Amino acid sequence: KQEVTQIPAALSVPEGENLVLNCSFTDSAIYNLQWFRQDPGKGLTSLLLIQSSQREQTSGRLNASLDKSSGRSTLYIAASQPGDSATYLCAVRRGNNDMRFGAGTRLTVKP
Amino acid sequence: EPEVTQTPSHQVTQMGQEVILRCVPISNHLYFYWYRQILGQKVEFLVSFYNNEISEKSEIFDDQFSVERPDGSNFTLKIRSTKLEDSAMYFCATERALGYEQYFGPGTRLTVT
Repeated sequence: KQEVTQIPAALSVPEGENLVLNCSFTDSAIYNLQWFRQDPGKGLTSLLLIQSSQREQTSGRLNASLDKSSGRSTLYIAASQPGDSATYLCAVRRGNNDMRFGAGTRLTVKP
Repeated sequence: EPEVTQTPSHQVTQMGQEVILRCVPISNHLYFYWYRQILGQKVEFLVSFYNNEISEKSEIFDDQFSVERPDGSNFTLKIRSTKLEDSAMYFCATERALGYEQYFGPGTRLTVT
């Protein structure tokens, strides 16, 4: 059974700092991995999707990497801003449909 | 930018009552999903739906749950006889084609009393 773990559970950084969020998964036979952002009481906003054949994806200040063999993905946020404060979720897709989520990292960026 | 919409945003119901949660997918998307998130817990997959039939469901999605696309636009989740433990945020997600990004709606908060 696929288990997805995110470390740390919470992170507080000053504005402008670069940071890395970690996601690990137990079964390397994945279809793809997607990073989401969730604001309190809201839905999930897709940030980046990495297919199993890819090593990384970039969007603006965000860069996500995938190492399937070690069961790890990282989300790098450059020059963090207070507006980046949210919970970041990674979700691993096994097979065609089922997506398993981590518990998330709650990020606070202090002005 | 097209988005997934869900109604209602909040539903309060009594235990044993039936509820229907509604989702309007992005128009050219073909795959539809329901997820739930119990307060303070992980987002959990419930069911996927393609070509007017269920393609996969989790162990959570028992006989009390059903999904349908009644009119070619709405995608609904029905819970026949709600229990206290069904209280959660329910998210609809849609996908243009298999393996693409899933786009989530804002969710329906279901409270069972």
